[in-house]
Amino acid sequence: DTAVSQTPKYLVTQMGNDKSIKCEQNLGHDTMYWYKQDSKKFLKIMFSYNNKELIINETVPNRFSPKSPDKAHLNLHINSLELGDSAVYFCASSPGRGREEKLFFGSGTQLSVL
Amino acid sequence: DAKTTQPPSMDCAEGRAANLPCNHSTISGNEYVYWYRQIHSQGPQYIIHGLKNNETNEMASLIITEDRKSSTLILPHATLRDTAVYYCIAMGPNQGGKLIFGQGTELSVKP
Repeated sequence: DTAVSQTPKYLVTQMGNDKSIKCEQNLGHDTMYWYKQDSKKFLKIMFSYNNKELIINETVPNRFSPKSPDKAHLNLHINSLELGDSAVYFCASSPGRGREEKLFFGSGTQLSVL
Repeated sequence: DAKTTQPPSMDCAEGRAANLPCNHSTISGNEYVYWYRQIHSQGPQYIIHGLKNNETNEMASLIITEDRKSSTLILPHATLRDTAVYYCIAMGPNQGGKLIFGQGTELSVKP
């Protein structure tokens, strides 16, 4: 069983469209994250949720809206896609209960906006 | 958040130990040193972390200097599958899992 799974793996779409990426973890973790890796391979946090509550929002445009229906899921919805949104998006989870947080990452969703 | 500095690339012969250095001279007393790696086209993978003492697990060993200003990740017997970008990250307990990735070290393990 994959610990952190995200779908789809590849997403190709036109500018202006709205799309969603889904993420699920079966590790029983309390905290989930979205990270973005740009074309220069820099990885940067976008959001984190702890037990469905938003904890970190790293000045991401309002077009990006995370939704956590329960603590095992954190989906990312993107409105009005722009060329600059093309990147690889990684979901991750961690126990969220202690001083030392080990993050477990999914395999990524490669988003290409044409 | 302490900044970390790593060499951009390193080579290692298969079967030999790979020693990856990291400088974190501004690390604060409660920040842990974490190591992650990213194999091509995969998500980052946790390797090991430590605060003051040296640590070892099934993947690697972590040696932290006494003054905590630098550390070394050791892969004791590198294999071709260890070819990846390795990231050294300093993170405190109040940072909520906010990993700040630098450029990392691209390790190439060669036959």
